[in-house]
Amino acid sequence: EIVLTQSPGTLSLSPGERATLSCRASQSVSSRYLAWYQRKPGQAPRLLIFGASLRATGIPDRFSGSGSGTDFTLTISRLEPEDFAEYYCQQYGSSPWTFGQGTKVEIK
Amino acid sequence: EVQLLDSGGGLVQPGGSLRVSCAASGFHFITYAMSWVRQAPGRGLEWVSAISVNSGSSTYYADSVKGRFTISRDNSKNTLFLQMHSLRVEDTAVYYCVTDRGGYFDHWGRGALVTVSS
Repeated sequence: EIVLTQSPGTLSLSPGERATLSCRASQSVSSRYLAWYQRKPGQAPRLLIFGASLRATGIPDRFSGSGSGTDFTLTISRLEPEDFAEYYCQQYGSSPWTFGQGTKVEIK
Repeated sequence: EVQLLDSGGGLVQPGGSLRVSCAASGFHFITYAMSWVRQAPGRGLEWVSAISVNSGSSTYYADSVKGRFTISRDNSKNTLFLQMHSLRVEDTAVYYCVTDRGGYFDHWGRGALVTVSS
């Protein structure tokens, strides 16, 4: 199965700053089948990005995804207070679908 | 508005059985593939099982649950099920019902907590 490794584990930033989250796959993810989710405490995950770079419905354009092959990135251009949360990547190009272990974006 | 209401979680002894359910509303249930995703305490998210659209004739399982769990759907009641047998301590997790858009998940339930403990 494809193992996804997210880095860093924790990102400490201030509101207004840019956040860059990395997701590296142990094998190439076919057809850019890579998604990103946001998760806040006590809530279910929310889909942000699918197809590596396509924003889900209702997701602000400060969230963007990029990458291909084994290296993917989620960028939050300017952090809003509500963006401090955990973020997970997930690949769905090769069964079984697998998730990364998450990156926590915390207020500095 | 899409709503997924997970239910049926609880405490069960190792080796026991439990069924979790998911009542769906706000979308045309029969035309959506569905999956279950779980998260064990202190661990990451894990895809568990998926079922195809319409009659659900195709089902898929993670190796960790294959042969023990069964996914099914009742389209007349807009409900998804996960029947779990031979439960293990390591199956303890919050189980989320999700809409499956070909491998990524665009709507999530609030989750049902399943605790396997003696």
